[in-house]
Amino acid sequence: GAGVSQSPRYKVAKRGQDVALRCDPISGHVSLFWYQQALGQGPEFLTYFQNEAQLDKSGLPSDRFFAERPEGSVSTLKIQRTQQEDSAVYLCASSFASGRGEQYFGPGTRLTVT
Amino acid sequence: AQSVTQLDSHVSVSEGTPVLLRCNYSSSYSPSLFWYVQHPNKGLQLLLKYTSAATLVKGINGFEAEFKKSETSFHLTKPSAHMSDAAEYFCVVSGGNFNKFYFGSGTKLNVKP
Repeated sequence: GAGVSQSPRYKVAKRGQDVALRCDPISGHVSLFWYQQALGQGPEFLTYFQNEAQLDKSGLPSDRFFAERPEGSVSTLKIQRTQQEDSAVYLCASSFASGRGEQYFGPGTRLTVT
Repeated sequence: AQSVTQLDSHVSVSEGTPVLLRCNYSSSYSPSLFWYVQHPNKGLQLLLKYTSAATLVKGINGFEAEFKKSETSFHLTKPSAHMSDAAEYFCVVSGGNFNKFYFGSGTKLNVKP
């Protein structure tokens, strides 16, 4: 079946612009995660949804970052007034439940802020 | 708190020789541990996982890992490297609230012909 998809795959934004990154999880997956992967580093947790509820947003680096999943499926990560330090790959992952299982990752969106 | 240390940022082996990628973890809980592989411009793919069953875990493409609680290690091995194994490998620990993942900084595996 279809895996996790993300769009756009690449995004170039001028400093100060707002961007919106989309994630389509695997159908039926309850849990959805966003991670940020800076160049040369491992991914770092940003936020977690269980269905439509955002249960953990402790990893969001500033109040310029906002995520939503209004109907419990598709999720959008929005970054307002982008800064150069926001340049990274943004990964979305989903899993069937909130237990100890694996997460399935999308290909990521590479954001470059100029 | 959970954390992962991958002891080597780069590993280079010859094709046909064994692979060893080292990972140490720290966890306040009984951990779940994973290895993921990331090929260039591709998404993270699960190689194998440990979730408190057998301590020797077999994964895809001939990889395996052994959970050693006394050493807090979860090293990844493969008996014979193939050119297609060249990629970046991430060790991951999860635990605590909501099963969020904590990644190591990654090990880039180079396979020489």
